[in-house]
Amino acid sequence: GGIITQTPKFLIGQEGQKLTLKCQQNFNHDTMYWYRQDSGKGLRLIYYSITENDLQKGDLSEGYDASREKKSSFSLTVTSAQKNEMAVFLCASRPDWGARGQNTLYFGAGTRLSVL
Amino acid sequence: QQQVRQSPQSLTVWEGETAILNCSYEDSTFDYFPWYWQFPRESPALLIAIRPVSNKKEDGRFTIFFNKREKKLSLHITDSQPGDSATYFCAASEVVGQLTFGRGTRLQVYA
Repeated sequence: GGIITQTPKFLIGQEGQKLTLKCQQNFNHDTMYWYRQDSGKGLRLIYYSITENDLQKGDLSEGYDASREKKSSFSLTVTSAQKNEMAVFLCASRPDWGARGQNTLYFGAGTRLSVL
Repeated sequence: QQQVRQSPQSLTVWEGETAILNCSYEDSTFDYFPWYWQFPRESPALLIAIRPVSNKKEDGRFTIFFNKREKKLSLHITDSQPGDSATYFCAASEVVGQLTFGRGTRLQVYA
């Protein structure tokens, strides 16, 4: 088995601040994701990456940057935190094409963001 | 426009009853439909999934019923238990596409 580790678990920021969230996986999966979860709105895709140095925008990419410098890690940057913003950011990875369970997403524990 | 819709937003049943969670989708190219569940303060995890080659998928007390013509599916939880209380997300994708999630149904099972 493997694990997805997200850091930090809790993040408190100031309005306008640039904030970076990190994700590490040891599944050796090629594809990784960042989702945002707001109460009552489900999971919305921010960015995903199908391999090292690849970046693909999701539906919610505006206001965010991402970086996939190596296969095992995927970071997300909130470019300018919005006042009173509260959300959970979930990192996920997926087995490679052709692998067993190839469409199953494995999620990390999340980073809970609050902006003062 | 929401690609995947879920109803109801919240559902309460008594222990032993059958809970029925509904899902509909827009894109007729979707052909993989997983359900994820999420317990409070935990991450979502895959519960059960179906492909349109069949119209029913069963795993213990959990059954997906699929209607391709109407682009609808439902998750039935029989003999509901308090431990089933969670938020259930319906999702959809093409075979190698990215998953689109619904907004979730919050299920509460009372003893």
